[in-house]
Amino acid sequence: SYVLTQPPSVSVAPGQTASITCGGDNVGSKSVHWYQQRPGQAPVVVVYDDSDRPSGIPERFSGSNSGNTATLTISRVEAGDEADYYCQVWDSLSDHVFGPGTKVTVL
Amino acid sequence: QVQLVESGGGLVKPGGSLRLSCAASGFTFSDYFMSWIRQAPGKGLEWVSYISGRGPTIKYADSVKGRFTISRDNTKNALYLQMSSLRPEDTAVYYCARDQDNSWLDPWGQGTLVTVSS
Repeated sequence: SYVLTQPPSVSVAPGQTASITCGGDNVGSKSVHWYQQRPGQAPVVVVYDDSDRPSGIPERFSGSNSGNTATLTISRVEAGDEADYYCQVWDSLSDHVFGPGTKVTVL
Repeated sequence: QVQLVESGGGLVKPGGSLRLSCAASGFTFSDYFMSWIRQAPGKGLEWVSYISGRGPTIKYADSVKGRFTISRDNTKNALYLQMSSLRPEDTAVYYCARDQDNSWLDPWGQGTLVTVSS
């Protein structure tokens, strides 16, 4: 089965940039999607198809994907960005696969 | 606006059954795949099952195969998950989500909690 890896936690000061990685075998050949889940809330997609943003998601959220690593970048981090972030791909053998999640803490 | 609302969660004993529902509105329901995803307390997201718009394509995670059945009623804009032979490890918040052609999942419902305990 296809496996995605993420760092358990990332800490960042307000106004700085947070980078969250998502590792997988040749993940660059797949479309990676990113979800934000605030405490007690349902996940919300913040980036889809590697680097596209749904309407209503700030431009501060951006994504990239190449080789064995996809990255979600949050620029000018705000207190409201504190949440768990999950990457996800669709794999023909494993169907929807989620990474284990990364907790972003705003210092 | 697009909205998904789950219902049917609750407390059930090991070996018991439960049926979850997801009411959809704001989009042409029959045009979309739909998925169930679950999240155990304090844990990450786990995809459970999906069904195509007209129902001929259905897949399950290995962890629920043979115990859970996904279905839909396009006349009622409703998605269902029939869960049987429930185990304590099935305890989770269950979300339904619109499945963008086996790509990303958007939006998600608010979730319904299923607790399997004696």
